[in-house]
Amino acid sequence: DGGITQSPKYLFRKEGQNVTLSCEQNLNHDAMYWYRQDPGQGLRLIYYSQIVNDFQKGDIAEGYSVSREKKESFPLTVTSAQKNPTAFYLCASSISQTYEQYFGPGTRLTVT
Amino acid sequence: AQSVTQLGSHVSVSEGALVLLRCNYSSSVPPYLFWYVQYPNQGLQLLLKYTSAATLVKGINGFEAEFKKSETSFHLTKPSAHMSDAAEYFCAVSDWEGGANSKLTFGKGITLSVRP
Repeated sequence: DGGITQSPKYLFRKEGQNVTLSCEQNLNHDAMYWYRQDPGQGLRLIYYSQIVNDFQKGDIAEGYSVSREKKESFPLTVTSAQKNPTAFYLCASSISQTYEQYFGPGTRLTVT
Repeated sequence: AQSVTQLGSHVSVSEGALVLLRCNYSSSVPPYLFWYVQYPNQGLQLLLKYTSAATLVKGINGFEAEFKKSETSFHLTKPSAHMSDAAEYFCAVSDWEGGANSKLTFGKGITLSVRP
């Protein structure tokens, strides 16, 4: 079955620690995205990547970093510089940036 | 620049009643338009999409949406609400010209409640 997987579903970290969220897709999509979702704020774009070894900052990139070493994988690191990291994180992919995006199940990160 | 407006944050309907979720967009070029549904603690699922073919688009779960260029709208409807329709709904727009800056822009979402 083709799709997008995110792991883990729930993640707990102490303040000051970096944490990496996994995102893998087997849809052969070129473009991949990371969004942050907070109650009442919709989806906010963190980073996106159109091709391997290339990525661009979205609207709220500060305190986050990404890599795109393989077409299938687009991990997101939430660094200790992110002031308010507790949120629901969604990964998505699409054939190209113009077309519909397919979403993973999300990772809920709680930092205390 | 493109944008999406979903007026209101919450809509409540009775089971069996018409569902109408409004979406207005702005785009400098002909758009592609999408509706997504999100159930609690899950990712977004594509309901339907408009990509410049028929203006009335049918999607999954009995939903449909009509593209009205003159009104810059893409409202989502379902004739008869079911309890399982309770979820959050997002409208999104993209411009088809492509290029490095082309991407989807999402509305803030509307929560649909269905009363028994």
